Formats: sequence, structure tokens, C-alpha cells
Amino acid sequence: SQTIHQWPATLVQPVGSPLSLECTVEGTSNPNLYWYRQAAGRGLQLLFYSVGIGQISSEVPQNLSASRPQDRQFILSSKKLLLSDSGFYLCAWSVRVGGRTFYEQYFGPGTRLTVT
Amino acid sequence: ILNVEQSPQSLHVQEGDSTNFTCSFPSSNFYALHWYRWETAKSPEALFVMTLNGDEKKKGRISATLNTKEGYSYLYIKGSQPEDSATYLCASDFSTGTASKLTFGTGTRLQVTL
Repeated sequence: SQTIHQWPATLVQPVGSPLSLECTVEGTSNPNLYWYRQAAGRGLQLLFYSVGIGQISSEVPQNLSASRPQDRQFILSSKKLLLSDSGFYLCAWSVRVGGRTFYEQYFGPGTRLTVT
Repeated sequence: ILNVEQSPQSLHVQEGDSTNFTCSFPSSNFYALHWYRWETAKSPEALFVMTLNGDEKKKGRISATLNTKEGYSYLYIKGSQPEDSATYLCASDFSTGTASKLTFGTGTRLQVTL
């Protein structure tokens, strides 16, 4: 069966410090991978998605970046955190197929980031 | 900007009550509508994915309908139980063909009490 891991679970970082959140998926190959954020009082917002190693698409301009160094590893980073980066970060994966089909996304446990 | 709206924002019902929530989404460029359930301290869990106008899906006491022409979906819970307490999210899928790009609503928070 497939599982998705995220760490750390919680993080408190000062403004201006760097960030690295990691997500790994087990039990599947060549998944699509996604990073979402839920800011206070807002809905889940898609930040990045990736359809393969080294392929990253950004959905919103921001202070964050993403990388996919391995097939089942997705990393969210920042060089200098802002207060507005606080939120709950969720990683997700979905089955990738060649044609246009629709699949559920499976979410990880999330990381609560507080920037102080 | 593609807005997905959910109502009500929150709902408090008694055990045994039936309830329903609404999700409205842009009907243009529609590919699919997803419903998720998000319990506190857990990951969002997929409930349904619907693609065709008039689709109806059911899982136990929970069911959903889809109207793509007018851009809305309803989620129904029959005979609510305390374990149904969660936030219910809908998301419109603006697929690129290789990646499923979801735009989420802010959710309906349901609390079921005895």
C-alpha cells in the first residue's frame, strides 16, 4: 500500500531564517506530487506541482521554491522566511497516467509552520 | 482567479439529523469536482470525484450530486453521527492533462453532537 510522509510535523522559525520541508511517498512510482498551504482563515492553496524528477510548476508567485531530486521525494524550501509564510503545509500525490483522467489526491499529515 | 465557494461555513447538528452542504464553482473549463473530508489532526481524505453533469455518488450515509451546467455540487449526510464531525472540502479540478490542479473552497465545518 502507498504511504506519504512529511516532516517535521511542527516548526517554529524566525523571520529571515531558511526553510526545508520534506515529503516522501512509498509504494508507488512516478507519482504527481503537490505542495499546498492553508493560511489562517483561508482554503487550501496549491503552491507547486511536479510531474517528474526535476520538473516543477509554480502556481503562485511567492517566497518559496520546490524541488524534486528523486522520483518520490518533494522538498519545499525558502532562503528567507516571511511572517506571511506561516501556515499549514500539506504534501499530496496522485496517480500519473498518460491520458486525461482524474484521480484523487492523497495527502500527507502536514507541517504546521509558525514564523515569528 | 477561479473561485470555489462553499456554504455554510459551519454547521452544528444533532445526532440523527440529515444535512447537506453546497459547493459552487466556475462552470467554464470544468474537468472534475472533488469532495474531501478533513478530520482534526488527520490528513484530508478523498470522498468522491465526479466528472459528468448529473453524476451522483454514494458512500454509506454520504452522497453527492453534480451540476456542471450551473456550477454546483451538493454533499448530503443522512442520519449524522458524531464521527461525521469534520471539515468537508470541495475542490474544482483544472487538470492540465498530466497533473490534477485543485482549487479548494474554504470548507464546511460540521459538528455533530449527541
